[in-house]
Amino acid sequence: AQKVTQAQTEISVVEKEDVTLDCVYETRDTTYYLFWYKQPPSGELVFLIRRNSFDEQNEISGRYSWNFQKSTSSFNFTITASQVVDSAVYFCALYGSGNTGKLIFGQGTTLQVKP
Amino acid sequence: DAMVIQNPRYQVTQFGKPVTLSCSQTLNHNVMYWYQQKSSQAPKLLFHYYDKDFNNEADTPDNFQSRRPNTSFCFLDIRSPGLGDAAMYLCATSRDSGSSYNEQFFGPGTRLTVL
Repeated sequence: AQKVTQAQTEISVVEKEDVTLDCVYETRDTTYYLFWYKQPPSGELVFLIRRNSFDEQNEISGRYSWNFQKSTSSFNFTITASQVVDSAVYFCALYGSGNTGKLIFGQGTTLQVKP
Repeated sequence: DAMVIQNPRYQVTQFGKPVTLSCSQTLNHNVMYWYQQKSSQAPKLLFHYYDKDFNNEADTPDNFQSRRPNTSFCFLDIRSPGLGDAAMYLCATSRDSGSSYNEQFFGPGTRLTVL
């Protein structure tokens, strides 16, 4: 079975604080892909990052960084110096090679950044 | 800009009155998806088209149908909407080459209200 767990339902921080969103996944596939999406109040899911199971290199994009650790089956997302515009629901998702087009989403973490 | 477009953004229908939601894309992606998302939940895949091949999720009610007349367009038909079908409906596309899985790009969604 494939599963994605985002244990943090809601996080509230003050602007300029760093915040880490946790994502733990379960899969028996050796080839799989992990994703993060952002869903602002407008409703559209915005793609942030894709990582395949053979690439454990961490990635940084501006204030965003991702830490992929296969040993702990985690793919955590850190926002540095958070801003009010970062307020959104963030979804972690998994696609396994045994799937037929289906992304497995976590339940999402609602991030509120207060001024 | 290449994108996924959904019309209308807001749709109000009456209980039992058929409704059609539309999605178009300029990305020339071969895979198109329809998701249902209810409040505070992750998106739930209803079905997807891999080129012309239709793939229905096992738990998608028969009340939901889909059509893909060409690469660019995909429609979601709800034959007899019930109150429980009120939700955000998201269309997404991806380019699947068969050798790797690429990220899905989402449209802005159609929020369906059933009276």
